[in-house]
Amino acid sequence: AQSVTQPDIHITVSEGASLELRCNYSYGATPYLFWYVQSPGQGLQLLLKYFSGDTLVQGIKGFEAEFKRSQSSFNLRKPSVHWSDAAEYFCAVGRNTNAGKSTFGDGTTLTVKP
Amino acid sequence: DAGVTQSPTHLIKTRGQQVTLRCSPKSGHDTVSWYQQALGQGPQFIFQYYEEEERQRGNFPDRFSGHQFPNYSSELNVNALLLGDSALYLCASSLGGATGPYEQYFGPGTRLTVT
Repeated sequence: AQSVTQPDIHITVSEGASLELRCNYSYGATPYLFWYVQSPGQGLQLLLKYFSGDTLVQGIKGFEAEFKRSQSSFNLRKPSVHWSDAAEYFCAVGRNTNAGKSTFGDGTTLTVKP
Repeated sequence: DAGVTQSPTHLIKTRGQQVTLRCSPKSGHDTVSWYQQALGQGPQFIFQYYEEEERQRGNFPDRFSGHQFPNYSSELNVNALLLGDSALYLCASSLGGATGPYEQYFGPGTRLTVT
């Protein structure tokens, strides 16, 4: 069975500081990996995805993530956080067949200090 | 190009009642997946519809059922509502077919409160 663990429930960073959100997955085959952001009361917006190829993927809003198969990790990073980045972030893993079903972690809430 | 739309935005129901939520996929998408997101948790996969049939199902009871129409829109029905059904219900659309890769686009969700 596939699963996703986001070890940090809540992270606080200062505006302008760097950010790294951790994600560990369990999956028996080649995973498709995603990071989503959710603002309060809103749906999910896709930040970036990894399907294959280059293990460092670039996304929207200046985010990037690195797939490390040996560590079963897909950590999200941003070099300089903006106040508008405050939100909840979800990591998800999907299958490469029967498209659509994704398993999500429980999320990390990001607070940005001025 | 309209994205994924869901209706209603909010809904309040009483235990034991039945509810229907609606979703229109992004233009060009033919697959709709439904997720339940309880407060403080990540979304949980309910089921997926493709070609008007339920293709995959998560670990949800039969009280949860759905339908997909020829125009690819979809409904989620929940019978005999329980307090624990209170959640944000998210619809996601994607291109179907038997294999990936794929990308899902999510709607804003329907907030269901059961009292």
